[in-house]
Amino acid sequence: DAGVIQSPRHEVTEMGQEVTLRCKPISGHDYLFWYRQTMMRGLELLIYFNNNVPIDDSGMPEDRFSAKMPNASFSTLKIQPSEPRDSAVYFCASSSTRRVRGTNEQFFGPGTRLTVL
Amino acid sequence: AQSVSQHNHHVILSEAASLELGCNYSYGGTVNLFWYVQYPGQHLQLLLKYFSGDPLVKGIKGFEAEFIKSKFSFNLRKPSVQWSDTAEYFCAVEENYGQNFVFGPGTRLSVLP
Repeated sequence: DAGVIQSPRHEVTEMGQEVTLRCKPISGHDYLFWYRQTMMRGLELLIYFNNNVPIDDSGMPEDRFSAKMPNASFSTLKIQPSEPRDSAVYFCASSSTRRVRGTNEQFFGPGTRLTVL
Repeated sequence: AQSVSQHNHHVILSEAASLELGCNYSYGGTVNLFWYVQYPGQHLQLLLKYFSGDPLVKGIKGFEAEFIKSKFSFNLRKPSVQWSDTAEYFCAVEENYGQNFVFGPGTRLSVLP
């Protein structure tokens, strides 16, 4: 398996522009997580999905952020309009939850480094 | 809500020194425990995990962690660190059979050559 795939790896945009980050989870995983990492705040969970359904979006900072998971193999995180304070590394992770313990670790993608000028 | 704390924000050691990074969590039920490492410029990777059985867990690269249920702790240890261990280390806790997966704030380790 190729692991969790994220695109783009780097994104530089101007304030006010729309940004879309993409994630392909590991095949067969039923949970998908979006995190944001900054020096100031560390690693923050933004939202997570189970079987394509958003379960907890309490970490989404404001209405400018939205996330979708139209199918089991694809998710997007959109920021519209973007602001300089959104500059961060955004990680996607996936995991598989089963009834037997021992399989719930999260696998992280390489991240998207977003710079908003 | 469950919380995870890591005792040190930044640890600086010389090569060959011993390492112990603290991790405590607040959830009183059955948990799964993880340590992740993030090398500079890279994504998080799993170092080791505890689900059941022997509370002393051995991971990759000579790391180990001990689960002490009575202390709600899962400290990470390595007897002799190397310069290549310079990274950020995250403790994470998951409620058993759930996906309430919480990361600690991370501890940055700098190993001086």
